[in-house]
Amino acid sequence: QSALTQPASVSGSPGQSITISCTGTSSDVGGYTHVSWYQQHPGKAPKLMIFDVSNRPSGAPNRFSGSKSDNTASLTISGLQTEDEADYYCSSYTSSNTYVFGTGTKVSVL
Amino acid sequence: EVQLLESGGGLVQPGGSLRLSCAASGFTFSTYVMRWVRQAPGKGPEWVSSISGRGGSTYYADSVKGRFTISRDNSQNTLYLQINSLRDEDTAVYYCAKGGDTAARYFQHWGQGTLVTVSS
Repeated sequence: QSALTQPASVSGSPGQSITISCTGTSSDVGGYTHVSWYQQHPGKAPKLMIFDVSNRPSGAPNRFSGSKSDNTASLTISGLQTEDEADYYCSSYTSSNTYVFGTGTKVSVL
Repeated sequence: EVQLLESGGGLVQPGGSLRLSCAASGFTFSTYVMRWVRQAPGKGPEWVSSISGRGGSTYYADSVKGRFTISRDNSQNTLYLQINSLRDEDTAVYYCAKGGDTAARYFQHWGQGTLVTVSS
């Protein structure tokens, strides 16, 4: 199972909006609504930010939103804040009860 | 409050074995699918294995199939990962994780991780 493709880095100024893409195939992203997004700060465990494409868990700020079109999912951070600087990973459920993660995107707040 | 606490990591030679444990609390352990996810240094997370609530169904990534065995003891609220025939590329932080509900196909709760280093 190949990793989902994400841009290596995305940057923005405080208050701006950024979008991170996550491209897979019809066997993962395109075939299921079980796409999730994780934020990871250095030395910490990943933190769930979005599940099932567009749902936010309690504790995730409402400036984080998710969407999907065909084989590509997207995470948008609106009103970028300095604490949003971190690595972000997408993940998708695939066939046979397996999961695949993305290659990761480093978000920098300029 | 959900708590997941991994242990059992360490330095091991190639070809060696380790048994990782994950002590769970704050939820009804036996009703949740539990999973192991690992993250090599400087790399993204990689799903390793999942086990159903009663332990009757197990699933593995191709990269570990035949070498790793996931199991659970619901009487002790503990998840295990037996890792054999270790390779350099198995060096990683190993996390146990669970979803937000019993049918969840995402990873909401994570432990702090335990580091496995494979080196001679």
